[in-house]
This record gives sequence, structure tokens and C-alpha cells, in this order.
Amino acid sequence: DAGVIQSPRHEVTEMGQEVTLRCKPISGHNSLFWYRQTMMRGLELLIYFNNNVPIDDSGMPEDRFSAKMPNASFSTLKIQPSEPRDSAVYFCASSLGDRASPLHFGNGTRLTVT
Amino acid sequence: GDSVTQMEGPVTLSEEAFLTINCTYTATGYPSLFWYVQYPGEGLQLLLKATKADDKGSNKGFEATYRKETTSFHLEKGSVQVSDSAVYFCALPSGYSSASKIIFGSGTRLSIRP
Repeated sequence: DAGVIQSPRHEVTEMGQEVTLRCKPISGHNSLFWYRQTMMRGLELLIYFNNNVPIDDSGMPEDRFSAKMPNASFSTLKIQPSEPRDSAVYFCASSLGDRASPLHFGNGTRLTVT
Repeated sequence: GDSVTQMEGPVTLSEEAFLTINCTYTATGYPSLFWYVQYPGEGLQLLLKATKADDKGSNKGFEATYRKETTSFHLEKGSVQVSDSAVYFCALPSGYSSASKIIFGSGTRLSIRP
């Protein structure tokens, strides 16, 4: 099992640029979560999907953020335009979707916006 | 609403000391409870879980018991090692739906001195 795969591992971009983060969940998992982690705010849930459908996007900070899950094996988180305050580590996680199943996290994408 | 409250960190201990990290929760019903660990530069990974009251989860010498009476799930280890230095998160699924989001505590940073 390859685990949850995120790319890129690191991203450095300039303010105003578009950033796309990618995630491949574990095969067979039907729930996918995007989190953001910073020292100031800790771990924040941005959005999660069940069976490719967004269930709760109330954590998405503003309209500059968007997420898609076109199929069961791929999801993207896009920031357009990016701002320095978006600098954080972004994690993707997947699970089997029932309440007793744990989340499996990727190793994250460290985003730096200058 | 559902919530998780964790002991504030950082916690610094000497090697072979006894560890307790407190976690209390507020939840609808009796959800599964989880402890996750995050090592530097990595995503969170499941450390242990308990699915019902009085269950004890255990892994790598860590233990936690699901206490319904005190709504607690404290993490313990009898003799910590330098390699246990990490951030520890208590978590639970929120709501009754099978497509539940996971609520995390704020995390407790643990540092072990040789």
C-alpha cells in the first residue's frame, strides 16, 4: 500500500500566483480530507469529500480557495491568487469513511508564498 | 457541539519518565476515540484507538482507556524514549453520519531529554 501521496512536497511561489496542490488517496478509501497546519492556528480542516462529493467546505478560508475531486483517486486544492498568509503545510488524508476508521495522512505540501 | 480538549504543551521529560497527556471530549453518543502522533516533517499517523467505553487502545508502549464516566481518553506510557519526541493529537469523529469529519485537539508537543 503506497499510502496517501501528495505533490509537490514543497512549493515556493510569489504572491498573486496560482497554486495547485495534488492528492492521491489510498485505493478503496471513500473519504478525503484537506487540512492546513500552521504554528499560529494549528491543524484546520478546510474541506472534506465523501464518494467524491464535497460534504463540508465551511473551513475553506475564502473564495480564493477551491477544491475538486473529479474521481476516487485524485483531488486538488487550488489557491488563486495566493497570498503570504497562505503559507502553511497542507495535508491530505483519506479514510474508509466510517466513524471507527482512522485517517491516513500524506506527508504534506509545504507552501511558501513570498 | 462535539469538541476535544487537550493538555497544553510543550511537555518536557527525561528518558524513562512516566508520561500522561490528558484528553477530554464532548460528543454526541459514543464515538470512537483516537490518538495520532506527528513526527517532524511528517503527516499525522494513527497511534491507537478505542471504539467503545472501557476499551483500551495500545501501541508502541502507549495506552489510553475510553472512560465514558469522565469523558476522557488520556494517553500514558510507562517509560518514554527520546524517539517518542513528537506532537500528539487526540481526535474523534463528529456527528452521526458515516461521512463524519474528524475533530482534532490542539496537539501536545512532547520533548524527551536523553
